[in-house]
Amino acid sequence: DIQMTQSPPSLSASVGDRVTMTCRASQGISDYLAWYQQKPGRVPKLLIYAASTLQSGVPSRFSGRGSGTDFTLTISSLQPEDVATYYCQKYNSAPWTFGQGTKVEIK
Amino acid sequence: EVQLLESGGNLVQSGGSLRLSCDSSGFTFTSYAMTWVRQAPGQGLEWVSTISGSGGNTDHADSVKGRFTVSRDSSKNTLYLQMNNLRAGDTAVYYCSKHRDRSGYSPLDYWGLGTLVTVSS
Repeated sequence: DIQMTQSPPSLSASVGDRVTMTCRASQGISDYLAWYQQKPGRVPKLLIYAASTLQSGVPSRFSGRGSGTDFTLTISSLQPEDVATYYCQKYNSAPWTFGQGTKVEIK
Repeated sequence: EVQLLESGGNLVQSGGSLRLSCDSSGFTFTSYAMTWVRQAPGQGLEWVSTISGSGGNTDHADSVKGRFTVSRDSSKNTLYLQMNNLRAGDTAVYYCSKHRDRSGYSPLDYWGLGTLVTVSS
């Protein structure tokens, strides 16, 4: 099975900072990669799919890049409401594995 | 408006069974694959089971294979997860989620609020 590894496990940044997190697949998955945001005590929310396509209603400060095995999620200007854990998920084939998550906090 | 409402979570003893339900509305139920995702307390998301829009194809995580069965009833717009031989490690909030299209090869664009399953040993 393909493993999904996210890094770093957590990060702390200031409001307005550019923040980037990584998701790596153990084998190529083309662009079958989604990113989800889960705020504390809330339900996960789809942010990006097909590695780089922004879901409707998601602020443009979020962006995704990558293909194959290496993917990134970037927040161009971190806002207080972005405090959350971010998960990547592959969906090219079963099992539809999630990464372990990157927890983002405000410094 | 898409709405997903899970029910059926409860406290159950190890070795017991539960059936979770997810009542769906606001979209054409048979046109979309559906998935169960769980989250143990303080932990990350874990994919559990997926069923295609027609119900003809299912997949289960190795951790639940042979114990859990996903199904759907198009006449009731309801997704189910039959969970047998429950273990302490199955304790989690179980989320019902909808795929963006008929197959499982698409992301999860809507999620329910979840239902808590607690397995006591």
